[in-house]
Amino acid sequence: DTAVSQTPKYLVTQMGNDKSIKCEQNLGHDTMYWYKQDSKKFLKIMFSYNNKELIINETVPNRFSPKSPDKAHLNLHINSLELGDSAVYFCASSSGGGSLHFGNGTRLTVT
Amino acid sequence: GENVEQHPSTLSVQEGDSAVIKCTYSDSASNYFPWYKQELGKRPQLIIDIRSNVGEKKDQRIAVTLNKTAKHFSLHITETQPEDSAVYFCAAFLSGGYNKLIFGAGTRLAVHP
Repeated sequence: DTAVSQTPKYLVTQMGNDKSIKCEQNLGHDTMYWYKQDSKKFLKIMFSYNNKELIINETVPNRFSPKSPDKAHLNLHINSLELGDSAVYFCASSSGGGSLHFGNGTRLTVT
Repeated sequence: GENVEQHPSTLSVQEGDSAVIKCTYSDSASNYFPWYKQELGKRPQLIIDIRSNVGEKKDQRIAVTLNKTAKHFSLHITETQPEDSAVYFCAAFLSGGYNKLIFGAGTRLAVHP
């Protein structure tokens, strides 16, 4: 009964490839997020969706395209992967009041 | 935009000692301040939070204080144990249509037995 689940857990791919990460939450939350955590552990917000509508796009390269088919799902597609995209990507959800529930993360390694 | 600064970046204490982590935020419109603990290889998990209408909150060995005037908030852990070793993140929530949680850079706490 994982609250926020994301797949895959690990993703190893070569530069130039396209990959997707999927996220689903069963908490009934209206807002979902993607955060990127780099090697120095810094957590940086990338996107936020509220009821399937994009409300935050933090100057992320347009190679990153989020998609929210419904308020329980927020997927992340990345085109033309670069070495600098290697990081842990966390999906999260909230009811709008601020407290985030994170998924277990997807460790992306670009070689 | 909102900015959250967190200090220290690393903290090493002996088991039983207290640990204090401090954060400052820039946007006075921030109204919610959670703290997250992230163990190695795991996801960040909420350990305590405080809203802007409260000055202090305590939950067993952990407490958080907020000074809205100075835009400071702090995490206090008493009687530290080895299992408290982790990276701790403070965060400030900006509402009013933004619904954005901005994190500090994290503090790596090591508790030595």
